Amino acid sequence: DVKVTQSSRYLVKRTGEKVFLECVQDMDHENMFWYRQDPGLGLRLIYFSYDVKMKEKGDIPEGYSVSREKKERFSLILESASTNQTSMYLCASSLNGVRQPQHFGDGTRLSIL
Amino acid sequence: AQTVTQSQPEMSVQEAETVTLSCTYDTSESDYYLFWYKQPPSRQMILVIRQEAYKQQNATENRFSVNFQKAAKSFSLKISDSQLGDAAMYFCAYRSSLLEKLTFGTGTRLTIIP
Repeated sequence: DVKVTQSSRYLVKRTGEKVFLECVQDMDHENMFWYRQDPGLGLRLIYFSYDVKMKEKGDIPEGYSVSREKKERFSLILESASTNQTSMYLCASSLNGVRQPQHFGDGTRLSIL
Repeated sequence: AQTVTQSQPEMSVQEAETVTLSCTYDTSESDYYLFWYKQPPSRQMILVIRQEAYKQQNATENRFSVNFQKAAKSFSLKISDSQLGDAAMYFCAYRSSLLEKLTFGTGTRLTIIP
């Protein structure tokens, strides 16, 4: 079974802090994704990566950056956290190929105070 | 840009009964893939079923089946013999044949009444 692990289930940070959310997958997947989930808005794509050191902006990249130095690890960075970034963050990974499903982690509920 | 619409924020069904969750989408593409994901209270998103647009036959996975109407751009999920473990948020998602990214709907919260 594919395992996508997010480093924290709950996280509380303060406004202005630099925040790192980590995601690791154990199935050698090429693609990794970061989504933000908010009530009534569903999941929205922040960034994705299709290879090491490669990244593409999703639908809502403002205020975020990402890093993928190793194939199995994809980090989401909030350079200067703000209260409107309080949300649930979901990481996913997939193999190449349009039929391949995305496999998700358990999510990190991030609160910015 | 593609959009996915789930018009039912909440649904409820009696245990052992059948329920249908609605999803419509908008695209100008002819080749694409559609997915239903389930998110239980444990929060992990789980793939329920997927449909290739070029296939006319509706996908089925045990108690879960879809009604795919390509011309109407409709992709509903039918859950038969509902069980308490089916209680979750259900998300419909679209993927182009050209891109890896998914576009999600806003979700439907399904409650199972014992």
